[in-house]
Amino acid sequence: DAMVIQNPRYQVTQFGKPVTLSCSQTLNHNVMYWYQQKSSQAPKLLFHYYDKDFNNEADTPDNFQSRRPNTSFCFLDIRSPGLGDAAMYLCATSRAQGLEQYFGPGTRLTVT
Amino acid sequence: AQSVTQLGSHVSVSEGALVLLRCNYSSSVPPYLFWYVQYPNQGLQLLLKYTTGATLVKGINGFEAEFKKSETSFHLTKPSAHMSDAAEYFCAVSERNTGNQFYFGTGTSLTVIP
Repeated sequence: DAMVIQNPRYQVTQFGKPVTLSCSQTLNHNVMYWYQQKSSQAPKLLFHYYDKDFNNEADTPDNFQSRRPNTSFCFLDIRSPGLGDAAMYLCATSRAQGLEQYFGPGTRLTVT
Repeated sequence: AQSVTQLGSHVSVSEGALVLLRCNYSSSVPPYLFWYVQYPNQGLQLLLKYTTGATLVKGINGFEAEFKKSETSFHLTKPSAHMSDAAEYFCAVSERNTGNQFYFGTGTSLTVIP
């Protein structure tokens, strides 16, 4: 089945220690998104790629970076995680911007 | 900018009762409309969508939603709630003309009482 895969499902990192979350897709979609979701809140868009074009949301902290080496993979790098970065991180894809998005299962990040 | 309002952050219904989750959008141009469901510690799953055509759309798990342009609404319904419907539900819209932005509502947590 075509799908969006996120690894790991649970990640624990130390305060200030860089961490990378990964996302892969077998849908061959052009657009990939990274969202941050805190408890009982809606997902908040951090950035997205349309093919290789990177689009950063204005209020995404500089601490968050992303890479998309090819169509299938996208990475979220948190350079110096703070306690406030503990959240669920969701990857999503869509065939084009504005169309329905398909979400992965998420990575729950804990910062100790 | 578009805004999406979900009335009622928490809704409780009895098993077998009607489920009604409300969603209103602000755009004067009808957007694309979506409902997603999220179970604990899971990603979001698309329930149904409206882009064009018939205003009553049917989705998975017995859910349906009706687009009402005059009311700028896209409420989600299910005739008979099941225990497995307990989850968080998000309404989302994307702007039809630009298609550049996807806006989520704040979510409604559905509890099903046995």
